[in-house]
Amino acid sequence: QVQLVQSGAEVKKPGSSLRVSCKASGDTFRSYGISWVRQARGQGLEWMGGIIPMFGPANYAQKFQGRVTITADKSTTTAYMELRNLRSDDTGVYYCARTLAAVVSGDYYHLDVWGTGTAITVSS
Amino acid sequence: EIVLTQSPGTLSLSPGERATLSCRASQSLTTNYLAWYQQKPGQAPRLLMYGTSNRASGIPDRFSGSGSGTDFTLTIKRLEPEDFAVYYCQQYRNSPITFGQGTRLEIK
Repeated sequence: QVQLVQSGAEVKKPGSSLRVSCKASGDTFRSYGISWVRQARGQGLEWMGGIIPMFGPANYAQKFQGRVTITADKSTTTAYMELRNLRSDDTGVYYCARTLAAVVSGDYYHLDVWGTGTAITVSS
Repeated sequence: EIVLTQSPGTLSLSPGERATLSCRASQSLTTNYLAWYQQKPGQAPRLLMYGTSNRASGIPDRFSGSGSGTDFTLTIKRLEPEDFAVYYCQQYRNSPITFGQGTRLEIK
């Protein structure tokens, strides 16, 4: 059974950074990508970016470009999402999700297994 | 980026009824790269459909997807109590991946 286990909830100050981890089991890192999706409180889903661990470079949504870094450690099958210069509107739940992806083109498809979610509160 | 508009925003139905949820794309998804997700309160989204009409593993056959081009539909044949949730469509035709704003399916 594939599982994605994320790090725990955090409270952060405006202007600080957060780093969320996502530990994957099974063959996720060998055959899939990992996406990060944000859900602001009471709102919809927003794709922040993704990485195909066997391929390397991350791909980011323009909205988050320059403020987010997504990495993957193949030795521990753990993906990370770092978001910098936090604002109050970054408050929400952050999900990692296993994503079908094309290694050659770097395209991301559907998200078939989701992580447990990490609740982030940004408040002074 | 491709914008997905879901309708209606809220759908009120009774168990046993048929639900029809719509998702319209701002440009054609020529490869029908559209997925649907179900999300219940306090839970992560769950993949229901991909490639417009393919059910994900473990999804009952009362769920079906259809459509092409810019107009897509998720149909739930006979609503069960556990089907009342929020549903999102997602396109992966172009980067970045984008989601619709969601349709809330509530018990009438």
